[in-house]
Amino acid sequence: TQLLEQSPQFLSIQEGENLTVYCNSSSVFSSLQWYRQEPGEGPVLLVTVVTGGEVKKLKRLTFQFGDARKDSSLHITAAQPGDTGLYLCAAGSGNTGKLIFGQGTTLQVKP
Amino acid sequence: NAGVMQNPRHLVRRRGQEARLRCSPMKGHSHVYWYRQLPEEGLKFMVYLQKENIIDESGMPKERFSAEFPKEGPSILRIQQVVRGDSAAYFCASSLKQGANTEAFFGQGTRLTVV
Repeated sequence: TQLLEQSPQFLSIQEGENLTVYCNSSSVFSSLQWYRQEPGEGPVLLVTVVTGGEVKKLKRLTFQFGDARKDSSLHITAAQPGDTGLYLCAAGSGNTGKLIFGQGTTLQVKP
Repeated sequence: NAGVMQNPRHLVRRRGQEARLRCSPMKGHSHVYWYRQLPEEGLKFMVYLQKENIIDESGMPKERFSAEFPKEGPSILRIQQVVRGDSAAYFCASSLKQGANTEAFFGQGTRLTVV
């Protein structure tokens, strides 16, 4: 069974601080996706990483895919209250397009 | 271009009743996925459908749950004789094509509460 383990599970920080969220697995994935979900809403795709060692930047967010394509990280620089939400990593399982999700990291950024 | 539409947004059912959750995929998308999310947890895959076909139902409970995606109209997730443990948020996603790296777009979800 493929599993994605996210850490930490909860994170509460002050505005302006930096943080990193991790997504680890013992399985190799062809790609990995990061989503952000706000309360009462559905997940919204932030980025897809495909190549081992790949780094993608989205404003203050930096995403990295491990060289072995088993793990990924999301780094946020100078967090803002608007970054508050549930961050989910997900990976495709098989060729059908169905996704396996990590259990999520709940981030709270206090003003 | 409207996104994935789910309705109702909130649904309250008494134990033993039936719950019907609807999902209209994005225009042009013929691949639909249903996921379930418990509070403070990630999403768990339930079923994958294409028009008039169930492709993968490996995440569906064996009893009381069924799904369809007819030729015309929305995809329906049906839960018969609901129990308290069915209370969760149910999300639908759609994609343009099938594949490991295909981008899926999620609806806002239906929050089912069984009382």
